[in-house]
Parts: sequence; C-alpha cells; structure tokens
Amino acid sequence: DIVMTQSPDSLAVSLGERATVNCKSSQSLLYASNNKTYLAWYQQKAGQPPRLLVYWASTRESGVPDRFSGSGSGTDFTLTINGLQAEDVAVYYCQQYYTSPTFGQGTNVEIK
Amino acid sequence: QITLKESGPTLVKPTQTLTLTCALSGFSLSTNGVAVGWIRQPPGKALEWLGVIYSYDDKRYSPSLKTRLTITKDTSRNLVVLTMTNMDPADTATYYCARRQEGAYNYWGQGILVTVSS
Repeated sequence: DIVMTQSPDSLAVSLGERATVNCKSSQSLLYASNNKTYLAWYQQKAGQPPRLLVYWASTRESGVPDRFSGSGSGTDFTLTINGLQAEDVAVYYCQQYYTSPTFGQGTNVEIK
Repeated sequence: QITLKESGPTLVKPTQTLTLTCALSGFSLSTNGVAVGWIRQPPGKALEWLGVIYSYDDKRYSPSLKTRLTITKDTSRNLVVLTMTNMDPADTATYYCARRQEGAYNYWGQGILVTVSS
C-alpha cells in the first residue's frame, strides 16, 4: 500500500489568511507514461460526505472556488486555501489513486 | 442531476454478512468508462477505500479486505451492491458509494452508518 501522510493534523488560520495543508506519499505518484500525477484532494464538512476539490494534483474540480489550489509533484503535495472563508472550516484529505487508493489521515482546518 | 443513495441495514450482528445497495441517478453504469466505488469512514476517523466496479464489470478491491468483499451491479436497475462478510465491531462506519471519474470520486452519496453490535 502507498501510505499518505498529511501535516499538520490540525490548523487554525485567521479569516482571509492563507491555509496550507501538506501531503506526502510513500512513493512517487507520477505515472511516467502519461505524465500525470495520481493525487486528489477532498473537503469534508461536519456531517457531510467528502467533496472533490482537486484531481491530477492540480486540476480544480468544476465549481470549486479558485481560492483552492493544489500543487506538488512526485511525493510531496500541497493544498492551499488563499483567503480562508468561514465556510472552509472542514477536514481535508489527500488521496492517491496511483495504485489501490489510499487516503491521508486528514487535516482539520479551523478559524483562529 | 447526478445522485447516489446508499441503503441497507444500519445494525448488523458480529459474523453476519452486510449487504448495501447504491442507487444511481443521472448516470448509468452501462455507459463506457463509468465506475462506482465504495468508501467507508469509522466514526471520527479517516476515509478508507473498499473497492470499485467498472461499466465493463471489472472489479478492484482493497488488498486488506478483498477476501470479505464482493461488489456487483444491476445495470437494468442502475444499482451497485456491496457485500461484506464476517462483520466485526471494527467495521462500524459510515459507508459511502461514489462515482469515479478521472481516478478521483466526484459525486458521493450521503452515506449510511452501519453499526456492528450484538
């Protein structure tokens, strides 16, 4: 299994500031034959199912605000929320789909 | 509008077999390239992928659970069924079905909380 490790476990950010969530995979998620990186990011608000934010490491899902962006390559990835809004309070998960999918442990983002 | 809805028992006894159904709306598993997966989440814990079924009936399962899992589809009724044998209290979780696209899961059901207890 590919192990996904997120940091930090919890993060408190002031409204309007930037939130950064990190994710590290135990092996590269770059598939050389198509040059695609098999990583997604999800947002899960309390009592709701996850919502897909980003796939292929940096492609924003339709309808996702542009303050959310994904970056990174190989084994190290970042989800950035520029200008945190109150409605962004949630747990964020990274997920690899290079092999049998696995998720990170989640990062809880709250307002400072 | 694409929706998925899970249904099934909310309480099962240890050693029993769990059967959950996912009803699809707004898309069909008979369409080439479509896939539906199952993911679960124990209370207060992280997501765990269970398996996926493709339109062409190929299936993939979590290596750690594959001996206990079966995913099937009923294309005529637009349903996907998850069966998990030998249930244990550690299997207590919210079970989600979700549509897979571009490798990730872009539409999710609301989930069903299944408790395993005698």
